[in-house]
Amino acid sequence: EVQLVESGGGLVQPGRSLKLSCVASGFTFSNYGMNWIRQAPGKGLEWVAYISSGSSYIYYAETVKGRFTISRDNAKNTLYLQMTSLRSEDTALYYCARTTDYYVMDAWGQGASVTVSS
Amino acid sequence: DIQLTQSPSSMSASLGDRVSLTCQSSQGIGNYLSWYQHKPGKPPKPMIYYATNLADGVPSRFSGSRSGSDYSLTISSLESEDTAIYYCLQYDEYPWTFGGGTKLELK
Repeated sequence: EVQLVESGGGLVQPGRSLKLSCVASGFTFSNYGMNWIRQAPGKGLEWVAYISSGSSYIYYAETVKGRFTISRDNAKNTLYLQMTSLRSEDTALYYCARTTDYYVMDAWGQGASVTVSS
Repeated sequence: DIQLTQSPSSMSASLGDRVSLTCQSSQGIGNYLSWYQHKPGKPPKPMIYYATNLADGVPSRFSGSRSGSDYSLTISSLESEDTAIYYCLQYDEYPWTFGGGTKLELK
């Protein structure tokens, strides 16, 4: 069974950092591109970042570029999102999602909650 | 960035109704548009990709179409389990962008 499990969320003060992890199982992690998507409370979905299977291609939303870093460790079947200089508007549920060759996000985690507040 | 405008933002319909949701792109994206269904407390689920292709496991009452820069998700006969928020997503170019969503409820 394909599974993605996020962790690392929590309450953090503005300006501080946090690192999310997403552990994959049930499929060959190194064969898939991965995305982070977030949903702020009461808001819609927002795509955050993408990393290709071998980490050669990385893209970010403008709202996080320069502050967030997506990375992966294929040996550990784990995707990461390093978040720095956090702002209140980064408060959201963060999902990791697997991306197929057809760019379908066909498997998602349950999400990690991040709250940025003093 | 490419903007996607979904309409309506919310709607209600009766069981068995034919329902169409619309997503308009601010610039050409070809068929690089997908639809996701999002229910409370659950992660989003892909419904349609490449504008018209049904994702795995999606009931055949769902379909996608395109007319120029306008994209539609149609449910031929609404069932209770279809109540959700539906988002379109363009993946023609980065940054990928979602539409604002359409909340679909039962009347």
